[in-house]
Amino acid sequence: SYDLTQPPSMSVSPGQTASISCSGHELGTKYASWYQQRPGQSPVLVIYQDTQRPSGIPERFSGSNSGSTATLTISGAQAMDEAHYYCQAWDSKHVVFGGGTKLTVL
Amino acid sequence: EVQLVESGGGLVQPGRSLRLSCAASGFTFDDYSMHWVRQAPGKGLEWVSGINWNGGNIDYADSLKGRFTISRDNAKNLLFLHMDSLKTEDTAFYYCVKGGGSLTDRTGYSHWGQGTLVTVSS
Repeated sequence: SYDLTQPPSMSVSPGQTASISCSGHELGTKYASWYQQRPGQSPVLVIYQDTQRPSGIPERFSGSNSGSTATLTISGAQAMDEAHYYCQAWDSKHVVFGGGTKLTVL
Repeated sequence: EVQLVESGGGLVQPGRSLRLSCAASGFTFDDYSMHWVRQAPGKGLEWVSGINWNGGNIDYADSLKGRFTISRDNAKNLLFLHMDSLKTEDTAFYYCVKGGGSLTDRTGYSHWGQGTLVTVSS
């Protein structure tokens, strides 16, 4: 089975940049998406097809994907960005999620 | 506005069956694939199953094959997940998710329901 690996947690100071990694075999050859999930809420798509931002998602969210690592970058992190973040990719026709990263803004 | 409303969750004993439903509105239901994603309490996301627009292409997570069945009723804008032989490890929130135009569309999941909790316990 295909696995996506994320750091379990990370922290960032308000206004600084957070970069959350997601690693998988030849991940750069697959499209990656990213989801934000606040406590008690459903996931929200923040990046799709590696770099695309859905309407309504702030410009401080950006994505990249190359080699074996996809990265979600939050530039100028705000308190409201504190949440779990999950990467997602497709292995042939199966959907795979990473284990999630808890981002703390403090 | 896209709305996905799940129902059918609850407490069920191990080995029993349960059927989840998802009522969709705000979009042309039979233009899109649909999926179920689950999340055990305090854990990460796990894709469960997906179905294309007319039910002709269906896929399941390898760990669930044979126990879960996904289906849809396009006339009523409903998505279903029938779960048999439930195990304690199936305890999770089950989310109904709107997919893309095909089952393997790579544009991400932009719309999720609020989830329905299934608890498998004796």
